[in-house]
Amino acid sequence: QVQLQESGPGLVKPSQTLSLTCTVSGGSISSGSYYWSWIRQPAGKGLEWIGRIYTSGSTNYNPSLKSRVTISVDTSKNQFSLKLSSVTAADTAVYYCARGGVVVAEDAFDIWGQGTMVTVSS
Amino acid sequence: QSALTQPASVSGSPGQSITISCTGTSSDVGSYKLVSWYQQHPGKAPKLMIYEVSKRPSGVSNRFSGSKSGNTASLTISGLQAEDEADYYCCSYAGSSLYVFGTGTKVTVL
Repeated sequence: QVQLQESGPGLVKPSQTLSLTCTVSGGSISSGSYYWSWIRQPAGKGLEWIGRIYTSGSTNYNPSLKSRVTISVDTSKNQFSLKLSSVTAADTAVYYCARGGVVVAEDAFDIWGQGTMVTVSS
Repeated sequence: QSALTQPASVSGSPGQSITISCTGTSSDVGSYKLVSWYQQHPGKAPKLMIYEVSKRPSGVSNRFSGSKSGNTASLTISGLQAEDEADYYCCSYAGSSLYVFGTGTKVTVL
């Protein structure tokens, strides 16, 4: 079955760029039936959708983060990535990658990575 | 885009039924049949429990059901069990390729 795994630095300095990668295993990221999202959760708080990418390269971002976010995909490596620039302490959170449905389970996130904690601190 | 509104906590005794509400606006919950619900145990990733308002993924107990009326979606858990104690989040498509989550509800089994 398809599994997602986040990877990247757990500590990022303020004003720098947070970079995370999600590796998809057990299936191809290139399936047209899905898109690939990033979602984050500050400690003790709720979930926030960051953005998504289709394997065509088409992206959509949360307007509240749009000026700082870039999501990209590398189909040859079965991976997609998140870059968040100019980070502050408010960006400290657990970051999840997730699969979203285009046809089945439309616009629901049916598979999630385990999450990776990113702390913004000097 | 503001978060969807959920009660902070809901509790019930084993075997009882509970309902969690998720209130949005006519721009999100009220406009689309694209509401999903997620269960999250402490330290774990969220798990999809309901999609497209009322559909259950394979493997999810039929004790979980979803519905929607106007700008409010609901998740009902019947025959409450100890393992249902977790945080629950709703999510809705909000148009313009945007998704919004709910504020989250902590379910306690008494």
